[in-house]
Order: sequence, then structure tokens, then C-alpha cells
Amino acid sequence: DGGITQSPKYLFRKEGQNVTLSCEQNLNHDAMYWYRQDPGQGLRLIYYSQIVNDFQKGDIAEGYSVSREKKESFPLTVTSAQKNPTAFYLCASSTNPRTANTEAFFGQGTRLTVV
Amino acid sequence: QQPVQSPQAVILREGEDAVINCSSSKALYSVHWYRQKHGEAPVFLMILLKGGEQKGHDKISASFNEKKQQSSLYLTASQLSYSGTYFCGTEIGPPQFYFGTGTSLTVIP
Repeated sequence: DGGITQSPKYLFRKEGQNVTLSCEQNLNHDAMYWYRQDPGQGLRLIYYSQIVNDFQKGDIAEGYSVSREKKESFPLTVTSAQKNPTAFYLCASSTNPRTANTEAFFGQGTRLTVV
Repeated sequence: QQPVQSPQAVILREGEDAVINCSSSKALYSVHWYRQKHGEAPVFLMILLKGGEQKGHDKISASFNEKKQQSSLYLTASQLSYSGTYFCGTEIGPPQFYFGTGTSLTVIP
């Protein structure tokens, strides 16, 4: 079955540590995205990538880093520079957003808690 | 960049109607609508492209006014299964998807 997989589902991190969230898709989608979800603030764009080896900052990229070495994978690293990392993180992918019926498919999310 | 949705929350009785609005400060290429159940991933409902089209999905429909950079989602004769948080997703450039602030919809018997 085609889909987008995030792991782990729950993640606990100590303050000062970097942590990497995994996102893999087998939908052959070109574009991939990372969003952060906090109560009452909707989904905020962290990073997005249109093609391999290329990615762009979204609205809240500070304290985060990404890589896109393979079309299927778009891992997100939450660094110690992110002041308030506790949140629900969603990864999504889509084909070419400028074509019709190009929906975004979401993973099940990773809930990160800093302890 | 994040579009603004209104209202933030709404409670309906089964069978009542609701309208959710999405407004962007940027020119839009398309608007998407998603519904998220608690603890789950958002699920796609529909996409509206430039041209002011209106779409329907069962008893859920939407409109897109590109001149006003606004979209509205219409839920008619609401069912319990409609409960969840609704997000509009706006595309302002390839491939920047910005999602709205969300609208919590609760349908009660």
C-alpha cells in the first residue's frame, strides 16, 4: 500500500539534545513538507522540499534542519536551538501542487515531548 | 503567510448547517480543505483551483473567490461524523502549502 510513514509516534527528548524525526513516502511524490501543530495555532510550515537536494524554509524554520537526499525521505532534526520543541509534528507529501486534484497526504504524526 | 480561519470553534446539533471561512493575505493559486479527527492525520476533502469554482462532496461543498483571496466551506445537514478540526490549505507558490489556523467543529445529537 502506498502511503507516508512517520516514526516514531511518540518521542521524548531531554533539553539540549538534538532529535531526528523520520518521514518516508512511497507515493513517488516530488514535494514533501514538515508542519508543526500546536493547540489553537493550526499547522505551521517548518520546511518544504520540491525536489531532491533542494529545500526551503517555511515560516518557523529556526531551530530545525532537514535534508532531502532521496526522493522518498525527508527527515527533520529538531535541534537544541529550538526553544519550545514540544509539539505534534506532521509530515506531508504531494505531487505537483500546480496540477489539478493534487492533494497532500499526511503521515500519522510524531508527538515530541521535551522532558 | 498562514491564512486565517473563522470561526475558531462551532457547536452544532445534528442536521444544522455551518460555514467555515478561510482568508489569505496573499494571492492564491488554489485552496484545499482537510478534516482532522483528534490524534489523527488530516484527511483531504477537496481542492479548488483558480476560476471561482465551487465543489461538492456529499453534503459538504466549498467556494473559492480568488479576487478576495477567500474560500468558504459549507456543511449542510451536519452529521455526528462531521466533528473534527477543519483546515484550509492555501497554495501561494510552488509548492508552498500553508494551512490555516483551524476551526473546531463539534456536532451533538
